[in-house]
Amino acid sequence: GQQLNQSPQSMFIQEGEDVSMNCTSSSIFNTWLWYKQDPGEGPVLLIALYKAGELTSNGRLTAQFGITRKDSFLNISASIPSDVGIYFCAGGTGANSKLTFGKGITLSVRP
Amino acid sequence: NAGVTQTPKFQVLKTGQSMTLQCAQDMNHNSMYWYRQDPGMGLRLIYYSASEGTTDKGEVPNGYNVSRLNKREFSLRLESAAPSQTSVYFCASSEAGGGSYNEQFFGPGTRLTVL
Repeated sequence: GQQLNQSPQSMFIQEGEDVSMNCTSSSIFNTWLWYKQDPGEGPVLLIALYKAGELTSNGRLTAQFGITRKDSFLNISASIPSDVGIYFCAGGTGANSKLTFGKGITLSVRP
Repeated sequence: NAGVTQTPKFQVLKTGQSMTLQCAQDMNHNSMYWYRQDPGMGLRLIYYSASEGTTDKGEVPNGYNVSRLNKREFSLRLESAAPSQTSVYFCASSEAGGGSYNEQFFGPGTRLTVL
């Protein structure tokens, strides 16, 4: 089946640093979504991308839909302690309503 | 709007007991989903309902049943709980139909422990 690859499993950064996360697949997706999960909570949608090459920002977050439609990245600038959490990428084909999720990257921010 | 709500928040069961996890959404979404989340495994789809009156198996359906009670509600039932079903369960919903309709919105989760 389709799989999305996110690595590494964990990232540790200093407060104020920028961080970039990739999500790759061997399959093509028509939609890329990025979610964040705070400890003890459900995932929350951060950014949604619908066109190959699209670059979208949401505050300090920027995400891009890869031109091949097989990858996406999320960049967080000037990290702050509340950026701590698990970041998931998800891809949709539009053929049905299902999404394929990556396993997530746990981000830790050192003050 | 409450979005997606789940009950209960926490549950402890003994092996062999049964229970139903409840989920409701007030966004008039067509599609609803049940996921389980285990450490290092990400979110795995158990069952989904593309529209009212339909349900389909996801990646890990064994040991579970679902009911799409109406457009708002989608329940997940464990008939005979096993320790391997200890997990955090999330319900989600989406408008469905491609494009922005793929966006799924999640509930706060149910933390289930099976002893």
